[in-house]
Amino acid sequence: SAVISQKPSRDICQRGTSLTIQCQVDSQVTMMFWYRQQPGQSLTLIATANQGSEATYESGFVIDKFPISRPNLTFSTLTVSNMSPEDSSIYLCSVENRELAGGSSYNEQFFGPGTRLTVL
Amino acid sequence: LAKTTQPISMDSYEGQEVNITCSHNNIATNDYITWYQQFPSQGPRFIIQGYKTKVTNEVASLFIPADRKSSTLSLPRVSLSDTAVYYCLVAPSGTYKYIFGTGTRLKVLA
Repeated sequence: SAVISQKPSRDICQRGTSLTIQCQVDSQVTMMFWYRQQPGQSLTLIATANQGSEATYESGFVIDKFPISRPNLTFSTLTVSNMSPEDSSIYLCSVENRELAGGSSYNEQFFGPGTRLTVL
Repeated sequence: LAKTTQPISMDSYEGQEVNITCSHNNIATNDYITWYQQFPSQGPRFIIQGYKTKVTNEVASLFIPADRKSSTLSLPRVSLSDTAVYYCLVAPSGTYKYIFGTGTRLKVLA
């Protein structure tokens, strides 16, 4: 398993500002994932962050809006830029069990506790 | 990636067995079926995964018929603490591109 922490746990921001969310893992992993969960909704994958390369964004998400950094194998940040009320969501990071369990084929991901963002 | 369909919500009483069925009619040969549980204000947590027939762990059982077009998560003797949203995902082994469906909101009543 993995212990994943996120900072901040929650924040209230003004529209037009930016917020950077941090994700820290207690193990070294190649891939980290960022998800968004809008109020009462399911999770949507934003992007995949590989250490040492540009993040890969899913359809509907762009780097200018959600820049991601991956400076080392245990840490990543997601920035929500030029925020609007529509960005109010929970943002979660996750890692794959395969990397932690030495090659398990299970499609298991460990998720952080999430960052609850409210944009006024 | 296969699309999944689950009931939006279910109610149950403590001590009962709960069965949540997920439909995935266009499941591919190399797809696995995975279930996650999410409590309020927490990230999803892996429950169980299977490919065919029956899988059981300390938390739940997963029943998959021969055609694999559906699966049923079985929670034995639920308690109030099992109140959560349960997601069924279908994806090839080793993929990271999860598509989370709507999930099933289970409410366990005293």
